[in-house]
Amino acid sequence: KQEVTQIPAALSVPEGENLVLNCSFTDSAIYNLQWFRQDPGKGLTSLLLIQSSQREQTSGRLNASLDKSSGRSTLYIAASQPGDSATYLCAVLYNQGGKLIFGQGTELSVKP
Amino acid sequence: NAGVTQTPKFRILKIGQSMTLQCTQDMNHNYMYWYRQDPGMGLKLIYYSVGAGITDKGEVPNGYNVSRSTTEDFPLRLELAAPSQTSVYFCASSYTQGSIYGYTFGSGTRLTVV
Repeated sequence: KQEVTQIPAALSVPEGENLVLNCSFTDSAIYNLQWFRQDPGKGLTSLLLIQSSQREQTSGRLNASLDKSSGRSTLYIAASQPGDSATYLCAVLYNQGGKLIFGQGTELSVKP
Repeated sequence: NAGVTQTPKFRILKIGQSMTLQCTQDMNHNYMYWYRQDPGMGLKLIYYSVGAGITDKGEVPNGYNVSRSTTEDFPLRLELAAPSQTSVYFCASSYTQGSIYGYTFGSGTRLTVV
């Protein structure tokens, strides 16, 4: 079964820290992997998308890496700010069926 | 540029009632999807469509129906609402399965069945 898991479920850090969110997937035959941000009561905002042929993508203070062989992706947030507080979701698009499979999310709280 | 638009934003239904959640996209995307998100959980796929006239079941299709008569619209129908269908529903779209632009999501419909 194709599954996506995110650890930890929740994370609280002081402002200014660098942090890493983890995502693992069971089947390495992926098409791409996407990281989303979700604010409370809101929809999903796409942060970064990594194609299966890529190793990482960067946008501002965010860097996402992909290691297909180990079934892992990480989202690195540099110099965290209170405005980064949100739930971060990892989603994998598998080759078969074209369906995006989501992890449960990591709820991040950055304290001033 | 509206993107993906969902209506209504909130709705309360009584058990056994029916309703249609509307989803429209203006990006000429071929692929459209319906997901539900329960508290503390990720999103689960209900139905998806790869083009007008073509739909298929996702992980949790029971209790729902969809249609795709146009590229722009992908309504989700709930028949005989049950408390287990209390959730937040998200519609999404993409150019193709492997689009380099990924998925675009609507802002969601929060449904409560009482």
